Amino acid sequence: LAKTTQPISMDSYEGQEVNITCSHNNIATNDYITWYQQFPSQGPRFIIQGYKTKVTNEVASLFIPADRKSSTLSLPRVSLSDTAVYYCLVGDGNNDMRFGAGTRLTVKP
Amino acid sequence: DADVTQTPRNRITKTGKRIMLECSQTKGHDRMYWYRQDPGLGLRLIYYSFDVKDINKGEISDGYSVSRQAQAKFSLSLESAIPNQTALYFCATSDLNRDAGELFFGEGSRLTVL
Repeated sequence: LAKTTQPISMDSYEGQEVNITCSHNNIATNDYITWYQQFPSQGPRFIIQGYKTKVTNEVASLFIPADRKSSTLSLPRVSLSDTAVYYCLVGDGNNDMRFGAGTRLTVKP
Repeated sequence: DADVTQTPRNRITKTGKRIMLECSQTKGHDRMYWYRQDPGLGLRLIYYSFDVKDINKGEISDGYSVSRQAQAKFSLSLESAIPNQTALYFCATSDLNRDAGELFFGEGSRLTVL
């Protein structure tokens, strides 16, 4: 199973773009990269998933370099409500789905 | 109604008691998971099941057992609860037929063992 490494915490200000990078050096050929957001006392919520290059949806973008050993979640123009913990998961869905420690993002006014 | 429902939402019990946390889902997913989260920490996988006849241990299965009674139901049991099992427990599901299936979580069950 590919292990993931993320920064423990990040601070930002409202209106800024936030980029959170996840390292996954042992990613397997069939693995996808999935990001989740978690608010206190709630279950994590899916944000975005990708396999390679760039994926964009209505809330975020995911950048994956050619070697796929890392990925970057980009949140455009964050607001106070984006304060949460963000998790990067790597896997193909056919094995256990393990979360790392996540990145605690704090958005300040 | 929530797609993934956990009961009870909150439970206080005493050391040595048997506790069961239940999870039911209406999403029609084959895969179900139980996670534990301690304050300020990430989620740790306890058990997971890919279908009714499949049960797999996760990272921290000691002291826990599970039962997959039906496709839609996955229960977590603590045979003899101890204080360090005080935590927030989450059930999740995913779809077998989706690549690296997205996880859908319940609202959590907060367990306190005195």
